[in-house]
Amino acid sequence: NAGVTQTPKFQVLKTGQSMTLQCAQDMNHNSMYWYRQDPGMGLRLIYYSASEGTTDKGEVPNGYNVSRLNKREFSLRLESAAPSQTSVYFCASSDPTSGGLAKNIQYFGAGTRLSVL
Amino acid sequence: GENVEQHPSTLSVQEGDSAVIKCTYSDSASNYFPWYKQELGKRPQLIIDIRSNVGEKKDQRIAVTLNKTAKHFSLHITETQPEDSAVYFCAATTRRNTNAGKSTFGDGTTLTVKP
Repeated sequence: NAGVTQTPKFQVLKTGQSMTLQCAQDMNHNSMYWYRQDPGMGLRLIYYSASEGTTDKGEVPNGYNVSRLNKREFSLRLESAAPSQTSVYFCASSDPTSGGLAKNIQYFGAGTRLSVL
Repeated sequence: GENVEQHPSTLSVQEGDSAVIKCTYSDSASNYFPWYKQELGKRPQLIIDIRSNVGEKKDQRIAVTLNKTAKHFSLHITETQPEDSAVYFCAATTRRNTNAGKSTFGDGTTLTVKP
């Protein structure tokens, strides 16, 4: 049981390049999320998927697209990377259908450190 | 939408002292308040959480208090140890978001415990 797995761990891009960050969870969770973390700004939600087949914008969606490929996988795509997208990206999952407080607990992946030059 | 403010942004204490981190939220519909700890270079992990129908919850050296009227909640760490050094995030989840489990996070507090 690996939890939430993100790939790659590190990536360097040039301005204008595109790439896809991959995320997979093996906990059978319905909801998945993508956050970015910048110094002093906490975790900001980019996109989330409440369940397979649905996606919604978070606080900072501009410049990103997502795909909920199936229940396990949720990918984040940068079509034309910009230096402002240099950040650490975290994927997370939760299971709102479980009982009690457990339904809101978010489990995070190890993160992807992205630099855009 | 929900807005969560967290204070202080940095906190330094001597080993053995207590540490308190405070958060305020704006949406009265928020009903779930987790705290996450993130060690340097690691992922955030849940350390304690509280629901809106409870005023206080304790787990060994960690406690969380909630004041729904004032819309603020706090994390208390007693007898701090060097391994408590980390960034701590509070979060609030609104009732209408509960089905998606979507939380709004504070900006984080960097806690340093000096030996």
